[in-house]
Amino acid sequence: DAMVIQNPRYQVTQFGKPVTLSCSQTLNHNVMYWYQQKSSQAPKLLFHYYDKDFNNEADTPDNFQSRRPNTSFCFLDIRSPGLGDAAMYLCATSYGQGWYEQYFGPGTRLTVT
Amino acid sequence: DAKTTQPTSMDCAEGRAANLPCNHSTISGNEYVYWYRQIHSQGPQYIIHGLKNNETNEMASLIITEDRKSSTLILPHATLRDTAVYYCTSKTSYDKVIFGPGTSLSVIP
Repeated sequence: DAMVIQNPRYQVTQFGKPVTLSCSQTLNHNVMYWYQQKSSQAPKLLFHYYDKDFNNEADTPDNFQSRRPNTSFCFLDIRSPGLGDAAMYLCATSYGQGWYEQYFGPGTRLTVT
Repeated sequence: DAKTTQPTSMDCAEGRAANLPCNHSTISGNEYVYWYRQIHSQGPQYIIHGLKNNETNEMASLIITEDRKSSTLILPHATLRDTAVYYCTSKTSYDKVIFGPGTSLSVIP
């Protein structure tokens, strides 16, 4: 089945040690999103790509970066994780602009020690 | 981007209709209303969306007021598996999706 895959499902990193989370999709969708979800909160949009066009949210910290080397893959890089970055990170895709719904991956739970 | 408000939590008896309201008074003319739900520790799941007209699919119905300032998601026969957090969101044609605070729905046997 076509789907959105996130690896790993659980990630532990040390304070200040760079970490990369990955997302892949078999849906061939044009748009890919990264959300941060802290406990008992709604998902918060960090950034999204429409094809190779990168769109950063104004309040996304500089510590968070993203790469999309091709249609299928998108990466979230946290350059120097702090304790406050511990959260669930959700990847989502959408076919394109307009009314298309989002498809979410299962998420990666990041723990910072 | 519209800001949405929802009740923090709601209960519904199993087998009854669950009506989940959402206010989106600042929604613009080209913003769609979307509903997603998130079962504990899973990624959100798309339910339904609409622009102006009421919509129905196999999961739910969406009622949007004529002024588009609010909407209601209706689960016609709630089951225990419908226990989840339900998010009302808006989406512009430029892809940006902003999640509201969500309603935690508990379906009670």
